[in-house]
Amino acid sequence: GAVVSQHPSRVICKSGTSVKIECRSLDFQATTMFWYRQFPKQSLMLMATSNEGSKATYEQGVEKDKFLINHASLTLSTLTVTSAHPEDSSFYICSASGRASEFFGPGTRLTVL
Amino acid sequence: QKEVEQNSGPLSVPEGAIASLNCTYSDRGSQSFFWYRQYSGKSPELIMSIYSNGDKEDGRFTAQLNKASQYVSLLIRDSQPSDSATYLCAVTGNTGGFKTIFGAGTRLFVKA
Repeated sequence: GAVVSQHPSRVICKSGTSVKIECRSLDFQATTMFWYRQFPKQSLMLMATSNEGSKATYEQGVEKDKFLINHASLTLSTLTVTSAHPEDSSFYICSASGRASEFFGPGTRLTVL
Repeated sequence: QKEVEQNSGPLSVPEGAIASLNCTYSDRGSQSFFWYRQYSGKSPELIMSIYSNGDKEDGRFTAQLNKASQYVSLLIRDSQPSDSATYLCAVTGNTGGFKTIFGAGTRLFVKA
């Protein structure tokens, strides 16, 4: 299957700081990438759809000013959690759409102290 | 009604048995159906995809789709302890620009 990478895999930060997470599709061009959040023992919740060269589409209840998404190229999308708070602590997973399927990155575990 | 429903489990089966995982969905226009396996602390891994009614087999895994009943299932034959994980059912439909909606997952335990 296709390879999608995320960086960093784990981050711990202080409340009020901003954290940037990178998502890269390594072996195919992804015009569309998705960002999910998963709290413990819950399923993946789609946060936003990231389209290369255009603004991201956010799901209801997700603050676009807090979760900044940039899809600058066909292989890279970034999610920036601005002014992070403890309730933002979660497992953030990106995916890239291609080849009639969706391929997930390994995820980023964010802990906000 | 949730868009994609799964029994949360846990489902416990002995090693070598068949594990049967079920999923129902609400969007009758859904077109693509997936089963993902997720180990604790890891991201989901695609196991099977199915697009038309009937069965699709891949090794020990068989996906079954019944669009009339809005039902999709996953059978795991000769279950192994390494199959112990959470299995997520995912459906891509017509609404909202072909977004994939995930079920909450079923936790499977295979006892050695």
